[in-house]
Amino acid sequence: DGGITQSPKYLFRKEGQNVTLSCEQNLNHDAMYWYRQDPGQGLRLIYYSQIVNDFQKGDIAEGYSVSREKKESFPLTVTSAQKNPTAFYLCASSIVEWRANVLTFGAGSRLTVL
Amino acid sequence: AQRVTQPEKLLSVFKGAPVELKCNYSYSGSPELFWYVQYSRQRLQLLLRHISRESIKGFTADLNKGETSFHLKKPFAQEEDSAMYYCALHNYGQNFVFGPGTRLSVLP
Repeated sequence: DGGITQSPKYLFRKEGQNVTLSCEQNLNHDAMYWYRQDPGQGLRLIYYSQIVNDFQKGDIAEGYSVSREKKESFPLTVTSAQKNPTAFYLCASSIVEWRANVLTFGAGSRLTVL
Repeated sequence: AQRVTQPEKLLSVFKGAPVELKCNYSYSGSPELFWYVQYSRQRLQLLLRHISRESIKGFTADLNKGETSFHLKKPFAQEEDSAMYYCALHNYGQNFVFGPGTRLSVLP
C-alpha cells in the first residue's frame, strides 16, 4: 500500500526540548515537503527537498531543521529555538515533472508543547 | 511574489444550493492551480487541478488568467461536501503555495 507515513501522530514536548517528526514515503517521489497547518493561516511551508542531500528553506524555516539522506525519508526537527511550536505538521511528497506535480499528504503529526 | 487568497474563511449554504469558493492568485508566469480538500478526520487530498479540466464530485473550476482567479463551483451542494478547501498554486521547479482555506458547511 503506497503512501506517506508520519509518526508519531501525537507528540508532547517540554519547553527547551528538540523533537523529531518522521516522514517516510514509498511512492518513489523525488520531492518532499513539510508544512505547518494553523487555523486561519492555511498551510505554510517550512522546508522542501527536490533531491537527496539537498533542501531549501520555506517561508517559516526558523527554529526547524531537516535532512534528506534517503529518497524515502525527510525528518523534521523542531528545535527549542522555535518560539511557537504547538501546531499540526503535514508532510507531503510529489514527483518533479512538468505539469505532473501533485502533492500527496501524510496524516499529520500534532505537536503540543507543555 | 506568489500569493493565493481565499476571501471567505467560512461559507455556509443549504443542501441543494449552488456553492462557489473563491480563489485569487498573484503570479507573473503560467502557474498550475489546484484545489485540495480536507474532510473531517481525513488526509488533505487533491480535489482537482486546472490542467485536467475535469469535474470531480460535481465540482468544477475554471482558470481565469485575466482575473487571476480559480473559483471552485458546484451547482447543488451536498452535506458530504462539508470540508476545508484549500486553493494552491505551483510553479514548476519550485514549491506549492496555499491559500488560507475556506471551511464549507452545507446545512440540511
